[in-house]
Amino acid sequence: DAMVIQNPRYQVTQFGKPVTLSCSQTLNHNVMYWYQQKSSQAPKLLFHYYDKDFNNEADTPDNFQSRRPNTSFCFLDIRSPGLGDAAMYLCATSRAGQGSYEQYFGPGTRLTVT
Amino acid sequence: AQSVTQLDSQVPVFEEAPVELRCNYSSSVSVYLFWYVQYPNQGLQLLLKYLSGSTLVESINGFEAEFNKSQTSFHLRKPSVHISDTAEYFCAVSPYDKVIFGPGTSLSVIP
Repeated sequence: DAMVIQNPRYQVTQFGKPVTLSCSQTLNHNVMYWYQQKSSQAPKLLFHYYDKDFNNEADTPDNFQSRRPNTSFCFLDIRSPGLGDAAMYLCATSRAGQGSYEQYFGPGTRLTVT
Repeated sequence: AQSVTQLDSQVPVFEEAPVELRCNYSSSVSVYLFWYVQYPNQGLQLLLKYLSGSTLVESINGFEAEFNKSQTSFHLRKPSVHISDTAEYFCAVSPYDKVIFGPGTSLSVIP
């Protein structure tokens, strides 16, 4: 089945130690998104790629970076994680040009910062 | 700009009882409307969507939502809930390439 895959599902990192989360998709969608979701809150969009074009949200901290080496893969890099960055990180995809921008989500990576 | 309001943060309901989760939105442009469901420690799954046409949309597991343009609402309903419906429900709007989520409603089905 076509899907969005996130690895790892659970990640523990130390305060200040860089960490990378990965997302891959077999849907061949041209738009990929990264969201941060804290407990009992709605997902918060960090940035998205429209094809190769990177779109950063205005309030996304500089500590968060992203890479999209090809259509299928997208990475979230947290350069110096703080305790406040502990959250669920969700990757999503959509196909631009189909009108609805309906998003398909991966299962998420739960990040713990110690 | 667009925004989404979900008036109820938590909704407890007994099994087999009906439920309505309320959603209101504001937007200066036409938008698409969605309901997503999130089970514990999982990603979001699309429950149903309104793009155009009939204002009443249905999902495969018995949920339905009705788009009301004059009231800018997209309330979610189910006539008889099951234990397995316990989850977080997010209403969302999409103008173009982004989705704006509401704060979510936690539905708890009581046996």
